[in-house]
Amino acid sequence: KQEVTQIPAALSVPEGENLVLNCSFTDSAIYNLQWFRQDPGKGLTSLLLIQSSQREQTSGRLNASLDKSSGRSTLYIAASQPGDSATYLCAVRRGRGSTLGRLYFGRGTQLTVWP
Amino acid sequence: GAVVSQHPSWVICKSGTSVKIECRSLDFQATTMFWYRQFPKQSLMLMATSNEGSKATYEQGVEKDKFLINHASLTLSTLTVTSAHPEDSSFYICSARDLSGPYNEQFFGPGTRLTVL
Repeated sequence: KQEVTQIPAALSVPEGENLVLNCSFTDSAIYNLQWFRQDPGKGLTSLLLIQSSQREQTSGRLNASLDKSSGRSTLYIAASQPGDSATYLCAVRRGRGSTLGRLYFGRGTQLTVWP
Repeated sequence: GAVVSQHPSWVICKSGTSVKIECRSLDFQATTMFWYRQFPKQSLMLMATSNEGSKATYEQGVEKDKFLINHASLTLSTLTVTSAHPEDSSFYICSARDLSGPYNEQFFGPGTRLTVL
């Protein structure tokens, strides 16, 4: 069974810092990996999607890397801002079997960026 | 990106009543939708996979008679919580898979907060 772990569980930093959020997964047979943002009481917003054949994806101040063989992904946030405060979820999608397509989520990293 | 809506956004009901939550894909057709449940400070737990025109596939431990799922059209799936109890209070989120995109990506609705008194 696929298990997804995110470290740290919570992070509180001053504005302007560069951040690294970590995600690890136990089964490397993935189709892709996604990073989501969730604001309190809200749904999920997709930030970056990395296919299993890719090494990284970038969007603005966000950069996500994927090392499928070691079962790790990192989300790098440059020059953090208070508006980045949210919970960041990592999810992997299976690459084989009858459950192709389902996502396995980590518990998230709760990020607080203070002015 | 594709848009998924949920209705209602929040609902409060008395114990023993039934509550229906709707999930709609607004600008794409979704043969597959997913229903998740999220407790405070916890991650999303998949409850069931909803397939248009066929029975839903429930995850282990999820009571199919309590959480009724209907996916009668390519843009609408409904989750009905029957005989709700306080322990059913949670945040329910749906997602819909867009097969027209390059990665068959899932897009998520804004969630429904259910409170059972």
